[in-house]
Amino acid sequence: KAGVTQTPRYLIKTRGQQVTLSCSPISGHRSVSWYQQTPGQGLQFLFEYFSETQRNKGNFPGRFSGRQFSNSRSEMNVSTLELGDSALYLCASSLGGGGEETQYFGPGTRLLVL
Amino acid sequence: QQQVKQSPQSLIVQKGGISIINCAYENTAFDYFPWYQQFPGKGPALLIAIRPDVSEKKEGRFTISFNKSAKQFSLHIMDSQPGDSATYFCAASPGGSYIPTFGRGTSLIVHP
Repeated sequence: KAGVTQTPRYLIKTRGQQVTLSCSPISGHRSVSWYQQTPGQGLQFLFEYFSETQRNKGNFPGRFSGRQFSNSRSEMNVSTLELGDSALYLCASSLGGGGEETQYFGPGTRLLVL
Repeated sequence: QQQVKQSPQSLIVQKGGISIINCAYENTAFDYFPWYQQFPGKGPALLIAIRPDVSEKKEGRFTISFNKSAKQFSLHIMDSQPGDSATYFCAASPGGSYIPTFGRGTSLIVHP
């Protein structure tokens, strides 16, 4: 099976712009979670989507949003970019049953905000 | 508030040695404790996980030790190899939901 894929892998934006990141989960996985990884804050949970609905949400401002399509692919959007949004954004997929399911991470999209 | 505290931040071990990474948590609702391994340019990958009903779990050279009363758990890498050089994250999640809270990570370097 193909793993989790994320596009683009690298992105450079300027403050105030918006950005959309894409994630394709492993075939058959219905849950997609997004994480932000920075040297200062580590790995932080953004949100989780299951069957096109946001099921869980982390503690991030409303500028961070996402959606999931009927084929389980997910997109994450960040509006009005700030310098502090520079980070590695990771997507992870799982079957979606919750509990102790293994999450499989993609390689991430590295976003640099200038 | 950092709910999962991980130490050390970095660790250097000689080949064949034992690498030990420790984590402590505060939230007693946590009941699933996975460890992830991340290589540069890659996303984290699940290494091994434990639930609090057991005190130890071993998979190959990797062992998790769990102390429920102390709210601490640790990863032991036996016979450490240069290929084990990576960043290791502990995590914890509450029952019924797989939304983990991660530790800050430990950068492990194993010298040949």
